[in-house]
Formats: sequence, structure tokens, C-alpha cells
Amino acid sequence: RKEVEQDPGPFNVPEGATVAFNCTYSNSASQSFFWYRQDCRKEPKLLMSVYSSGNEDGRFTAQLNRASQYISLLIRDSKLSDSATYLCVVNTQGAQKLVFGQGTRLTINP
Amino acid sequence: DAGVIQSPRHEVTEMGQEVTLRCKPISGHNSLFWYRQTMMRGLELLIYFNNNVPIDDSGMPEDRFSAKMPNASFSTLKIQPSEPRDSAVYFCASSITGTGIEQYFGPGTRLTVT
Repeated sequence: RKEVEQDPGPFNVPEGATVAFNCTYSNSASQSFFWYRQDCRKEPKLLMSVYSSGNEDGRFTAQLNRASQYISLLIRDSKLSDSATYLCVVNTQGAQKLVFGQGTRLTINP
Repeated sequence: DAGVIQSPRHEVTEMGQEVTLRCKPISGHNSLFWYRQTMMRGLELLIYFNNNVPIDDSGMPEDRFSAKMPNASFSTLKIQPSEPRDSAVYFCASSITGTGIEQYFGPGTRLTVT
């Protein structure tokens, strides 16, 4: 079983729609959680950290459910520029390395 | 500000040849990571360094792969001999140890081994 699992998609949604992705992780000792974004043929970049209480950054909302070991990302009022692959990322306490999910590919259609 | 710099950006080589990928981390960052990304396996950590010292190389696929960090501003990943299954995008990333783990990635080297 992979340490971080995501639905690879692709998700194709119309501009303006709301879209949500989930990600599950297997290591209960995981302490830090992130969403990275990767555009086609580019490097991954941090989109947002995920906090236990949930957090929002503009149109983006991230949630963490420790009991069920999943993380979610919600994008409201989606824009064409949101088209990318979204990577769920987990870090275990005491370890510096990040474990990346396979990514969920999102395409926003005009 | 300069981000992580990688060279070359593209490399095409024949099976059996030696390949050397280069990385310059962001100045002041003391942790450096080498990743490999393929469609099948996603983004995999190969090795990482703290203060120029290799900490975890458990992701290095086999003895054909080696990495060095002779100083704080330079690292290399070498594949010798290269094989077609090594074809992938290789990313270098850097961060400041203990600051919350955000990693800054370079643009990657796209390696094709024929």
C-alpha cells in the first residue's frame, strides 16, 4: 500500500465550478501535511499547508481528518489557471523528508 | 532572488554512458533533496543532505546512482552506467532545516536514455 494515495483523475470541470479532492495517508505518525501544485512540465510548488483546524486561502480550503487519515482540498469558483496537478504531501514527525502522492490532475474548461 | 538552479535542463544519452546532473540550492538553505519523477511512479525521493552530509539514501535505486555535496552551494547526481529505465525528470529541491519543511524545487532535468 502506498503511504499517500490520491485519485489520479483526471477531473474535468467547467470554469466557475467547485471541485474537491481527497487524499489518504497510511502512517498515523504523520504530523505535517501540504498541498503542492505542479503545472505541466514544471516543478512542484507549495500551494498551502494543512492545519488540524482547517485553513482557507482565498478560493482554496484545506481540511485534515486525523481520525480517518485523510486530507482534502476544495477549490471554489474555479479558474482556467487552476488547471494543474495537485500533489498531496505528508511529513512524519522527526523526519525531514516529504512523501508525495501521485497527484490529481485537474482541468478547468471554459 | 535566484531559486534552485539545475543543469542541464535536458539530457539525451545512450545506454551505458555516464550522466551527471547538477544542482545549486538557494543560498542559505542547508538541506538538499534529489527526486525522480515518472508517470508510473510519481515523485520519489532519492537522497537528501543536511549541511552537506547525506542523511537518507534509501531511495537511491541501485549502485549505479551516486550523489555528492562537496559544499553548501553545489550537489551532483551521477548515473553510471545509464539505462533506458532511468529516463525521467530529476528534480533538486532545497529547504532550511527545521523550519516547517517547505521545499523549493528547481526546474528539473529531463533525462532520456536511448
